[in-house]
Amino acid sequence: QKEVEQDPGPLSVPEGAIVSLNCTYSNSAFQYFMWYRQYSRKGPELLMYTYSSGNKEDGRFTAQVDKSSKYISLFIRDSQPSDSATYLCAMIQYSNYQLIWGAGTKLIIKP
Amino acid sequence: DGGITQSPKYLFRKEGQNVTLSCEQNLNHDAMYWYRQDPGQGLRLIYYSQIVNDFQKGDIAEGYSVSREKKESFPLTVTSAQKNPTAFYLCASKMDRGGYGEQFFGPGTRLTVL
Repeated sequence: QKEVEQDPGPLSVPEGAIVSLNCTYSNSAFQYFMWYRQYSRKGPELLMYTYSSGNKEDGRFTAQVDKSSKYISLFIRDSQPSDSATYLCAMIQYSNYQLIWGAGTKLIIKP
Repeated sequence: DGGITQSPKYLFRKEGQNVTLSCEQNLNHDAMYWYRQDPGQGLRLIYYSQIVNDFQKGDIAEGYSVSREKKESFPLTVTSAQKNPTAFYLCASKMDRGGYGEQFFGPGTRLTVL
C-alpha cells in the first residue's frame, strides 16, 4: 500500500464547475501538506500548503485537511480551461523533511 | 531572473550508454533534488544533496550517480546499470537543508532509450 493515494484520473469537468481533488494517506507522522500544479511537459509549481486541519483559501482555491481521517482535498471554484493540468499532493513528515508524493490527478476543464 | 535550468530538454540514449543530465540553480539554495516521474506514479526521489560535497540516496538510486562540487550545480548521470531509464527527470531546489520550505522545480529533461 502506498503512503499517499491519489486517483490519477483523468477528471473531466465543464468550465465553471467546482472541482474536488483528493488524497488519502496512511502515515500519521505527516505534518505538512502541499498541492502542486504541473502543466504538460513542465516542472511542478507550488499552489498551496497547509499544516493544520481545516480550510485554507487563496482566491478560487481552497485546501482542506482532515488529519483525523487522513484525508486532504483541493477545491477549485469557477474552474477555467487554464486550470487544466495535473495536480499533485505532497506531504512532509517532521523526522526527515522529505516530500512524499501522490500519483497526481490529471484535470481537464472543457470550454 | 532566478530559477532552475535543466538541459537538455530532450535526450535520446542508446542501450549501454551513460548520459548526464544538467541541473543549475541561481537561487542560492542549499538543498537540491533529483526526481523521476513516470505516468501514473507521481515523483520518486533518486538522490538529494543538502550541502556541497555531500549527497544521499533516495528511494530509487540504483543505476544513477550524482555529484555536488558546486552549490549551484547538481548533475545526474544515468548509467547503463539503470534497466528502465526512459522517464521524465525533474531537478528541484530548496532554500534550507531542513524545514518545510517550498521545493522549486526546473522544466525537466525527457530521456528516451532507443
